[in-house]
Amino acid sequence: AQSVTQPDIHITVSEGASLELRCNYSYGATPYLFWYVQSPGQGLQLLLKYFSGDTLVQGIKGFEAEFKRSQSSFNLRKPSVHWSDAAEYFCAVGARNYGQNFVFGPGTRLSVLP
Amino acid sequence: NAGVTQTPKFQVLKTGQSMTLQCAQDMNHEYMSWYRQDPGMGLRLIHYSVGAGITDQGEVPNGYNVSRSTTEDFPLRLLSAAPSQTSVYFCASRNYAEAFFGQGTRLTVV
Repeated sequence: AQSVTQPDIHITVSEGASLELRCNYSYGATPYLFWYVQSPGQGLQLLLKYFSGDTLVQGIKGFEAEFKRSQSSFNLRKPSVHWSDAAEYFCAVGARNYGQNFVFGPGTRLSVLP
Repeated sequence: NAGVTQTPKFQVLKTGQSMTLQCAQDMNHEYMSWYRQDPGMGLRLIHYSVGAGITDQGEVPNGYNVSRSTTEDFPLRLLSAAPSQTSVYFCASRNYAEAFFGQGTRLTVV
């Protein structure tokens, strides 16, 4: 069965600092991988996704993520954080079988200091 | 293009009451699902559907019913609300590439 771990429950960074949010997954084959962001009181918005090909994926809002098969990881990065990036971030894995569900990690809450 | 629409946005129920959370999508997706979100637990799958007339249980189905009579609609029914069902509920529809989420329903059971 698929599973996703996000080791950091809460991260605080200063505005302008770099950011890396960790995600590890368990899945028997090559998965689909996603990062979603949830602003307070809002639904989830897709930041980026990985299906195949280049292991460095670019997303919206200046985010990128790197798929590392050997480490079963899909970490999210941003070189310079803005105050508006404060939100909760969810990593998810989806099976290539269309009938399978997405499995979400527990989320990492990001706080940004001015 | 509305995407996924959930109603209501907020609801307070008394223990034992029943209610239906509505979800509609206009993207012609076959696959729809309901999640609940609780602090520190991410999103947990309640029920899902792979097409009209087909539903199945997810990780936490107890206390909830679903039906899928049309491609567009996927309502979630709470049969007899309990305080443990206090949560934020999200409906999603997806294609193979992405899941699209509604804005959520914040439900409090007192």
